[in-house]
Amino acid sequence: NAGVTQTPKFRILKIGQSMTLQCAQDMNHNYMYWYRQDPGMGLKLIYYSVGAGITDKGEVPNGYNVSRSTTEDFPLRLELAAPSQTSVYFCASSREGPRAFFGQGTRLTVV
Amino acid sequence: KNQVEQSPQSLIILEGKNCTLQCNYTVSPFSNLRWYKQDTGRGPVSLTIMTFSENTKSNGRYTATLDADTKQSSLHITASQLSDSASYICVVSAPFGGSSNTGKLIFGQGTTLQVKP
Repeated sequence: NAGVTQTPKFRILKIGQSMTLQCAQDMNHNYMYWYRQDPGMGLKLIYYSVGAGITDKGEVPNGYNVSRSTTEDFPLRLELAAPSQTSVYFCASSREGPRAFFGQGTRLTVV
Repeated sequence: KNQVEQSPQSLIILEGKNCTLQCNYTVSPFSNLRWYKQDTGRGPVSLTIMTFSENTKSNGRYTATLDADTKQSSLHITASQLSDSASYICVVSAPFGGSSNTGKLIFGQGTTLQVKP
């Protein structure tokens, strides 16, 4: 089992560029989440999904989009990168229960 | 406002010593409280999960307590090891509105623990 896999691990973007952060899980979890972690701050929920075809906004969704066409994949899209989106992004998944599994994170720098 | 606050912000202890980390929360309604360990550059890893009715939960040298009346939790680390150096994050789960088990996770800022030889 690979668990939750995020790619890429690191990325530098220029202001205004777009990119997609990939997240895949092989545990057949219904619930998937995207968080961002800024230095010295707790993780903030960007978007979440309770199942394929269903997504919803979290606390800080502005500037991001997601899709959930399959149970396994939950990509996060940045359309027009801004310096404020410099952060570490974590994807997580969970079954119908409290235990969430996190990916290793994607460190994004927007310059 | 749903909040999770942790103290201290950082802590340095000597190898072999015990320590206790604190977590206060104002999340309501409440589903469960979790403690995560996050090594530098890695994703958080679950240590313990406690529901409303549980007062204590252990995972090896880690023991978490929960007082749902005062909305406080603590994580006690016994006989610390160098590998315990990490950030410890208290996370409280509030229901999305459907299942009472899987909900929105509200993260504390974390306590950075450094264990020195």
